[in-house]
Amino acid sequence: GAVVSQHPSRVICKSGTSVKIECRSLDFQATTMFWYRQFPKKSLMLMATSNEGSKATYEQGVEKDKFLINHASLTLSTLTVTSAHPEDSSFYICSARGEGLVHNEQFFGPGTRLTVL
Amino acid sequence: AQTVTQSQPEMSVQEAETVTLSCTYDTSESNYYLFWYKQPPSRQMILVIRQEAYKQQNATENRFSVNFQKAAKSFSLKISDSQLGDTAMYFCAFILYYGGATNKLIFGTGTLLAVQP
Repeated sequence: GAVVSQHPSRVICKSGTSVKIECRSLDFQATTMFWYRQFPKKSLMLMATSNEGSKATYEQGVEKDKFLINHASLTLSTLTVTSAHPEDSSFYICSARGEGLVHNEQFFGPGTRLTVL
Repeated sequence: AQTVTQSQPEMSVQEAETVTLSCTYDTSESNYYLFWYKQPPSRQMILVIRQEAYKQQNATENRFSVNFQKAAKSFSLKISDSQLGDTAMYFCAFILYYGGATNKLIFGTGTLLAVQP
């Protein structure tokens, strides 16, 4: 199956700093990428959808200026948490779908655990 | 709007036994996909099984099978011969067949399955 990677897998940062998380599709071109946030033992909460070369579509209640999403190429999307605070600590997961894959099937990255001190 | 409901927050099953996880959904559309995803303690999302709504035959993947009842909007997952490695959070998900560039998965709240030795 198609592979999606995320980097870093874990990050610890101080309050007020910015953190960038990368999501890469390794063996396919990702026309659409998704960013999710997940709290322990809870479901995935979609934050935003990004299509290559265009602005991300954010879900209601997600702060666009806090969670900056860039999808500059067909294999890379980034999520930047700006001025992170302890309440931003969470598990962030990306997923992707693309051309040539099973219709509407999404492939998930392994996730990034963010801890803000 | 589409919704997915999983009414069993937690379930437990003995190794080698069979267990069924429930999922109901609501939509006014007729063309869509349904999925079951598994999220083990590693938190990597893994696709277990997929069902296209236009197919009457229930999907099966080795020990995993579904009971898809379109009229009742029900999509349960049966795990036969349960193994310790099946211990995970299981999410039911829905996506429209045609939903445009921002077509997105709608997840249920999840069922935490524990397989007991």
